[in-house]
Amino acid sequence: QSVLTQPPSRSGTPGQRVIISCSGSTSNIGSQNVNWYQQLPGTAPKPLIYHSDQRQSGVPARFSGSKSGTSASLAIIGLQSEDEADYYCAAWDDSLKAVLFGGGTRLTVL
Amino acid sequence: QVRLVESGGGAVQPGTSLRLSCVASGFTFASYPIHWVRQAPGKGLEWVAVKSKDGSNMHYADSVRGRFTISRDNFKNTEYLQMNIVRPEDTAVYYCARDGPGIDYWGQGTLVTVSS
Repeated sequence: QSVLTQPPSRSGTPGQRVIISCSGSTSNIGSQNVNWYQQLPGTAPKPLIYHSDQRQSGVPARFSGSKSGTSASLAIIGLQSEDEADYYCAAWDDSLKAVLFGGGTRLTVL
Repeated sequence: QVRLVESGGGAVQPGTSLRLSCVASGFTFASYPIHWVRQAPGKGLEWVAVKSKDGSNMHYADSVRGRFTISRDNFKNTEYLQMNIVRPEDTAVYYCARDGPGIDYWGQGTLVTVSS
């Protein structure tokens, strides 16, 4: 059971804006940075966002991250077919002394 | 360029041991912590362990604490994951990944299958 909660699935049409949420607690998202990863089938995860709202080098500007309280969000604007993938949030938990991953959100581009 | 290459995976029986290696190149290995993250077939990502760059701190997931040990050799630019008393639920692709900032580089993974 993931301590960081993500919706199992999201979908959108090309060009749309999609938001993927990630809910945690004061010991993780509430006090630590959040990172986001994209994983295409059969490949290693690709880092998208670090420090909650910073894009990793080479990540398109249509990907953005934000955090408020104990929740974080990944927004994708101008959805493209190649964005169809699994997305994971992650944060350090200072009580558990562990990195927590969300359960993942499968994004489908209709 | 930054590269992480895992090796050592394979098929093993429950209760046995296995050691995974992660060889790093393209950056100053001693300056970065390295994480191990695993992914069971068809499942999500699960963090396994991390060792600080100076080796003073090690943290483990509850599911592996007491069975797995992380270590590093800064002269060989290599991180190890010693897996003891493995269980069927340890079956997964194991990734090593660099921390800085966030987990920013991942290896391609090595598959560990635990089955009798």
